[in-house]
Amino acid sequence: EVQLVESGGVVVQPGGSLRLSCAASRFTFDDYAMHWVRQAPGKGLEWVSLISWDGGSTYYADSVKGRFTISRDNSKNSLYLQMDSLRAEDTALYYCAKDMDGSGSYIGYWGQGTLVIVSS
Amino acid sequence: QPVLTQSSSASASLGSSVKLTCTLSSGHSSYIIAWHQQQPGKAPRYLMKLEGSGSYNKGSGVPDRFSGSSSGADRYLTISNLQSEDEADYYCETWDSNTHVFGTGTKVTVL
Repeated sequence: EVQLVESGGVVVQPGGSLRLSCAASRFTFDDYAMHWVRQAPGKGLEWVSLISWDGGSTYYADSVKGRFTISRDNSKNSLYLQMDSLRAEDTALYYCAKDMDGSGSYIGYWGQGTLVIVSS
Repeated sequence: QPVLTQSSSASASLGSSVKLTCTLSSGHSSYIIAWHQQQPGKAPRYLMKLEGSGSYNKGSGVPDRFSGSSSGADRYLTISNLQSEDEADYYCETWDSNTHVFGTGTKVTVL
């Protein structure tokens, strides 16, 4: 069964930076696009970003464009999210998710999430 | 970009059926969606991919009680023989030009 394990969530001050990681296993990582999705406390799911199988194409929600950067290292089966200029509204549980396609279609597997709290 | 509309809540008795609706915005009625379940305190779980034709493809281990159907811009998730563990939030997802969107979710209560 696909395994996705996120890490890196902490408490960070507004304006600060943070990098989330996702370790993937039990599937051929470089065959699939990958996503980050977040969920603010008590709220619904919000798609954040998508990266293609080779890292050559990246896409972002308007709410994070210019502040967040998605990347991957296929040699390490790892996905990353660099988060800069953090705001209170970025406080959320961040999920790593596996797409069902190499270029981006729909989410087929989810990690357990890592919590980011932006607060002074 | 497509918008997905879901009712905020639904309820049904143990052992009965419930049908959830996800409606695609105008101009996007042919789009494929995916349904995801999120039980309280847990990560979401992929349930199925659902096409405009009504054809659906379930994830590994998803019980037979879960089925999908479509009519125009509406995408349905039907849960038959409702169980206590089906009490959860249900989200639909779609995408356009590699930008994804989720519906606001439907909270299902098992009476």
